[in-house]
Amino acid sequence: DAGVIQSPRHEVTEMGQEVTLRCKPISGHDYLFWYRQTMMRGLELLIYFNNNVPIDDSGMPEDRFSAKMPNASFSTLKIQPSEPRDSAVYFCASSFELAGGFYNEQFFGPGTRLTVL
Amino acid sequence: QQQVKQSPQSLIVQKGGISIINCAYENTAFDYFPWYQQFPGKGPALLIAIRPDVSEKKEGRFTISFNKSAKQFSLHIMDSQPGDSATYFCAASMNTGKLIFGQGTTLQVKP
Repeated sequence: DAGVIQSPRHEVTEMGQEVTLRCKPISGHDYLFWYRQTMMRGLELLIYFNNNVPIDDSGMPEDRFSAKMPNASFSTLKIQPSEPRDSAVYFCASSFELAGGFYNEQFFGPGTRLTVL
Repeated sequence: QQQVKQSPQSLIVQKGGISIINCAYENTAFDYFPWYQQFPGKGPALLIAIRPDVSEKKEGRFTISFNKSAKQFSLHIMDSQPGDSATYFCAASMNTGKLIFGQGTTLQVKP
């Protein structure tokens, strides 16, 4: 398997523009997570899905952020309008639940480095 | 109560030395404690994990020590190597699929 795939790897945009980040999870994984990483705030969970359904979006910073998972192999994180403080590395991760409910590891993608000017 | 506090923020160790990173948590409902390793330009990757029913887990040069009563756990890297230079994150979970990460420790192992 190719692992978690994210695109684009780098994105530079101007304040006010719409930004869409994309993620393809590992086939067969039923959990998908979106994280944001900055020096100041570390690694923050924004939202996660289970079987394409959003379970917890309490980490989404503002209404400018939205995430969708239309099917098991694709998810998007959209920022509209973007602001300079959104500049960060955004990671997507996927996972699956072991039988018996024991939690398994999360597999991270390479991340998208977003710069908002 | 959802926080995981990690220390130190950065660490410099000589090659062959022992690297120790500590984490503390408040929520006693946490039941899964992984450590992730992140190299520059890469996503974090699972290094080793422990559940609270054991006090120690060892995988090669990496050991997690877990103190349930103190609500603390630590990562020990024995015989540290320059290739271990990376950022390390502890995390905790309540088996909901959601991980709470510590702030990270940047480790530099000097040759």
